[in-house]
Amino acid sequence: DAKTTQPPSMDCAEGRAANLPCNHSTISGNEYVYWYRQIHSQGPQYIIHGLKNNETNEMASLIITEDRKSSTLILPHATLRDTAVYYCIVRGRSSNTGKLIFGQGTTLQVKP
Amino acid sequence: ETGVTQTPRHLVMGMTNKKSLKCEQHLGHNAMYWYKQSAKKPLELMFVYSLEERVENNSVPSRFSPECPNSSHLFLHLHTLQPEDSALYLCASSQDMRDGYTFGSGTRLTVV
Repeated sequence: DAKTTQPPSMDCAEGRAANLPCNHSTISGNEYVYWYRQIHSQGPQYIIHGLKNNETNEMASLIITEDRKSSTLILPHATLRDTAVYYCIVRGRSSNTGKLIFGQGTTLQVKP
Repeated sequence: ETGVTQTPRHLVMGMTNKKSLKCEQHLGHNAMYWYKQSAKKPLELMFVYSLEERVENNSVPSRFSPECPNSSHLFLHLHTLQPEDSALYLCASSQDMRDGYTFGSGTRLTVV
């Protein structure tokens, strides 16, 4: 069963920040939040992950609320190449709970 | 190129054919995975291999037969498939089952 809830689709203007929300109200203390994206008909690509602190890398920023029940992936300056399906995944750190289980994700359409 | 190579990229096969999908990684990873992505559906985890041992088979029909001869190679042998098996088949690998996954570009399979 998916442990996350994401809006099915979002639009964003090119050059603006894209803020993709994710609800994970049943997350447990040792579970991480991972984000992947999948550009049409390609394999998913890792973006970022975090436990409770905000994280930033060259692709995106991840903001996790203090209660850890939701998070937001931020693409600071969206480009047309960022059009993709974005998956928010909660996973544990054991071999059993650490599998990547994908939900429906959010289809982000970046428009000129 | 992600470091995980899948061949062929496209495959059309009849229902009575036998074919194999190949996945190769030279990232030094110890875990490998097969996913299936049907049209407008989330990715479904099919098989998990860790250190060349199959550790998970998610109720996949026996017409799909995985093989992991060594830590760098993973095969999916196909026989007597059905048209509904047409999908994008994705291979992934990770250092161990708790780490981030690297995905290949997938094999687009069409069963006629």
